[in-house]
Amino acid sequence: AQSVTQLGSHVSVSEGALVLLRCNYSSSVPPYLFWYVQYPNQGLQLLLKYTTGATLVKGINGFEAEFKKSETSFHLTKPSAHMSDAAEYFCAVSENYGGSQGNLIFGKGTKLSVKP
Amino acid sequence: SQTIHQWPATLVQPVGSPLSLECTVEGTSNPNLYWYRQAAGRGLQLLFYSVGIGQISSEVPQNLSASRPQDRQFILSSKKLLLSDSGFYLCAAEQGIYEQYFGPGTRLTVT
Repeated sequence: AQSVTQLGSHVSVSEGALVLLRCNYSSSVPPYLFWYVQYPNQGLQLLLKYTTGATLVKGINGFEAEFKKSETSFHLTKPSAHMSDAAEYFCAVSENYGGSQGNLIFGKGTKLSVKP
Repeated sequence: SQTIHQWPATLVQPVGSPLSLECTVEGTSNPNLYWYRQAAGRGLQLLFYSVGIGQISSEVPQNLSASRPQDRQFILSSKKLLLSDSGFYLCAAEQGIYEQYFGPGTRLTVT
């Protein structure tokens, strides 16, 4: 069964510093991978996704993630953190491959704090 | 693009009372719909999903139920709430395979 592990429930960076949020997955087939962001008391917003093709994917707000099959990882990065990036971030992997309906398996989330 | 509405935004209910949370979707037809619950520090737990009117799949046995009376309406219900039902409930609609978009959520506190 697919699973997602997000290393670090809390990450703190200084404004302007590199953001690195880690995500590892387990899947028996090539997965679809997603990063979502959640601001307090709001729903989740899709940041970026990997389905097929180029392994480095760019998303909104300057974030990007790289799919590394050999490491079963899909880490999220941003070169320079901004105060507005403070939020909780969720990595997700597709549960079923193919078909007309696909459930997502979510990690437990990483809360990002940005210090001025 | 689609828009997902959830009602109410917040709710405080006593233990043993009934529950009805509503999710409606605009801008798409025949979407796959999902109910999740989010508890602090536990990520998102998939509760129900639906691929069409009247078609409900349950992921976790519990005292909650779901219904889809119309194509773009998804309802989460309970006959008797438990303290453990407190949490943040999110409705999502699928656009394309696996790509889910979320509503603003309902904060439920059971007292």
